[in-house]
Formats: sequence, C-alpha cells, structure tokens
Amino acid sequence: SAVISQKPSRDICQRGTSLTIQCQVDSQVTMMFWYRQQPGQSLTLIATANQGSEATYESGFVIDKFPISRPNLTFSTLTVSNMSPEDSSIYLCSVPRPSSSYNEQFFGPGTRLTVL
Amino acid sequence: DAKTTQPPSMDCAEGRAANLPCNHSTISGNEYVYWYRQIHSQGPQYIIHGLKNNETNEMASLIITEDRKSSTLILPHATLRDTAVYYCIVRPNFGNEKLTFGTGTRLTIIP
Repeated sequence: SAVISQKPSRDICQRGTSLTIQCQVDSQVTMMFWYRQQPGQSLTLIATANQGSEATYESGFVIDKFPISRPNLTFSTLTVSNMSPEDSSIYLCSVPRPSSSYNEQFFGPGTRLTVL
Repeated sequence: DAKTTQPPSMDCAEGRAANLPCNHSTISGNEYVYWYRQIHSQGPQYIIHGLKNNETNEMASLIITEDRKSSTLILPHATLRDTAVYYCIVRPNFGNEKLTFGTGTRLTIIP
C-alpha cells in the first residue's frame, strides 16, 4: 500500500488569496492525481501530475487557476489561486498502487478548504 | 469511461448482507468494474474489482452478470463502520489510470 499525507488538513482563507496544498507519498510513483470534492458532491478530477512534465488538466480546469508542481516522484503541490467562495471544497491527491497489475488508487485524507 | 447508474441511497440492518447494485450497460470488452467507498471525512478506499468472473476478498464480493451490463457489490455482514458512499466505476485495467466518479450510493447501516 501507499501512505499519503496532505498539508494542511484544513484551512479558512479570504477571497482573492491563494493556498498551496502539499501531497507527500511514502513511495515513488509516476502519476499523481488531484481531485476536488465540492460540498455534498462526488469527486472530480482536476489534473494528472507526472514528474518532469507539465500537468494534464481536465476540461474546466486551467493551469492559471490550479498550478501544480511535481518536483520529484514522492511529492506534489496544488495551488488554488485567486480564491472565491466557489472554491470551497475538499481537495484530494491520489496515487496508483505501486507495482500493481491493476488500477487500484490510494487517496490522501484531503484538505478541507473554506473560502470566505 | 463507461457510464454507471447506482441508486442514490440504501439502508441495511447491521449484521445483514448489504447488496449494492450498479448498471453499466455500455461497458466495453476491455473495461473492468471497480468499487470504491468513501467514509465520511476520508478519501475514497478501494474495495474490489472484476472483469467477468465473480470475485471475493476480505472486504466484499462482486457479482457480475453474464452479459456484464450490471453488477452487485455484497458486504456479507454489514457493520456500522460500513456506512459510506459506494462508487461503482468501469474502466480499462491499464493505460489511462484516472478515475471518473459518479454520484454513488449512500449506504446507511442501521443498528
């Protein structure tokens, strides 16, 4: 299995500011995924982060709003820029099971963001 | 990824078997059925997956119909800790590894 930690676990931010969320994995992984879960909703994929290349964003998400860094195989950050109350969500990172023949993913505990 | 349809909510008595259905009528030949669950305030957790044969592990059993257009996740002896949202996802086993979550079934285990 993979152990994933996220920082911060929660934050309350003011409109117009930015927050950087960190995701740390205890093993090296090629792909890391960032998801958003709005209140009462299911998870929506924001982007896929590969080490050494630019992140691939899903429809409706752009790099200027959600810049992602992936400096090495165990770490990634997601920044939520110029926040508005609509960005209030839980943000989760996930990684595929290392050395697996099937697509099991492990999820971090999430970062609960509230924008005032 | 193929679309799935699940009931929005279900109740089950503690100690009884919980049977969660999922329709995936547009599933293609190379797509597997995956089940995840999300307990409140936690990230989703993998439960089980299968292609066409029934599967069982320490958490649950997965029954896939012969035509593969639907499946049922079975929690044999539900406990209060099984209260969660359960997601049925169909996708290839290799390649594109992102998960597309539907709305899931909110399962409530009743004491």
